[in-house]
Amino acid sequence: DTGVSQNPRHKITKRGQNVTFRCDPISEHNRLYWYRQTLGQGPEFLTYFQNEAQLEKSRLLSDRFSAERPKGSFSTLEIQRTEQGDSAMYLCASSPIAVPSTDTQYFGPGTRLTVL
Amino acid sequence: GEDVEQSLFLSVREGDSSVINCTYTDSSSTYLYWYKQEPGAGLQLLTYIFSNMDMKQDQRLTVLLNKKDKHLSLRIADTQTGDSAIYFCAEAVGGFKTIFGAGTRLFVKA
Repeated sequence: DTGVSQNPRHKITKRGQNVTFRCDPISEHNRLYWYRQTLGQGPEFLTYFQNEAQLEKSRLLSDRFSAERPKGSFSTLEIQRTEQGDSAMYLCASSPIAVPSTDTQYFGPGTRLTVL
Repeated sequence: GEDVEQSLFLSVREGDSSVINCTYTDSSSTYLYWYKQEPGAGLQLLTYIFSNMDMKQDQRLTVLLNKKDKHLSLRIADTQTGDSAIYFCAEAVGGFKTIFGAGTRLFVKA
């Protein structure tokens, strides 16, 4: 399977702990996105990478959140000092740079975070 | 501001057509998308339409775009029980950022 993969699929943690999620995009895709989805809502944009450069960050991404894509391949999303409000599904997506670009995004299955 | 709105629920009988509607706010959107999400699964792109098009047809799916009213619709012909899912409308804003609606839950009754 050459789709977008995310690990872990589920994470349960206690409030105040740090968590890190990993996303492996489709191998030839240059663009990588992180979203957060809460129950009954659509995905909310968090941040976007083109290769290793983080080009855009949402206001939703507080200073407790950090994302990296060090070699332009996989990406990690870290949440420090987790709060109960961080409980959500964290989605990763990737897209190729194509001409013309439709920016079609391919989504992974998500990591479901529960903060107790 | 950036906002995408959809009705929350739609219920149809198997074999009927389903029409899911969406309104968006950013007139500079280049592409508009419809994604499908089934329980426990990731989002799957169904179709997209470029902002200079009025209509796009892809098998059972027909997308209509009214740019003047910023209205997008997805019609599913001959709806099947396997079409039961959440359908998200989304717009590409500023080149890379995609704004999603809250999703329309489609229930198909056998």
